[in-house]
Amino acid sequence: KAGVTQTPRYLIKTRGQQVTLSCSPISGHRSVSWYQQTPGQGLQFLFEYFSETQRNKGNFPGRFSGRQFSNSRSEMNVSTLELGDSALYLCASSFTDGYEAFFGQGTRLTVV
Amino acid sequence: QKEVEQNSGPLSVPEGAIASLNCTYSDRVSQSFFWYRQYSGKSPELIMSIYSNGDKEDGRFTAQLNKASQYVSLLIRDSQPSDSATYLCAVNGAGGTSYGKLTFGQGTILTVHP
Repeated sequence: KAGVTQTPRYLIKTRGQQVTLSCSPISGHRSVSWYQQTPGQGLQFLFEYFSETQRNKGNFPGRFSGRQFSNSRSEMNVSTLELGDSALYLCASSFTDGYEAFFGQGTRLTVV
Repeated sequence: QKEVEQNSGPLSVPEGAIASLNCTYSDRVSQSFFWYRQYSGKSPELIMSIYSNGDKEDGRFTAQLNKASQYVSLLIRDSQPSDSATYLCAVNGAGGTSYGKLTFGQGTILTVHP
């Protein structure tokens, strides 16, 4: 059974640019959540999608957005990148809320 | 008070010993509890889930949950150097603002020395 796949694995962007990250969940999983991990803040919840609907959103500025497609694949977008957006971005998929969540390998974003 | 707190590390144990990792949470209505292991430079890997009070064993790992005390722990028996990693406690609430949201502790770094 294939795991959660995130692309790309690494990204280097310049301040002010925008970036789109992709996540393909485990087959049959309809919930996809996104997290930002930094050394100082740990793992912080960004948002969660279920059946193409955003059900929950963390405390991040509006520059962070996402969407989910009918096949449960999800994308997150960060516009007007700032240096502080440099982080490991992780997506996790689960069957539904409250069930075990499995993480992808992550996308390491560096903003210069 | 942090929503999820883990015992401060780092924790160092000799090979073959029992490693004990602790976690407390503040949201009394939390429903699901997980332990993840994260190696340096890698993503978190789920190692245990627990949903009801008591113990749950899986191989060398035992998770313990006490909802009345809002406490969850992870015991690793016969610790191996390959267990050296950061262990993350994660808690999921009960619907509403908790949909799909795992709240993580800051992690405990475990080192198992030969």
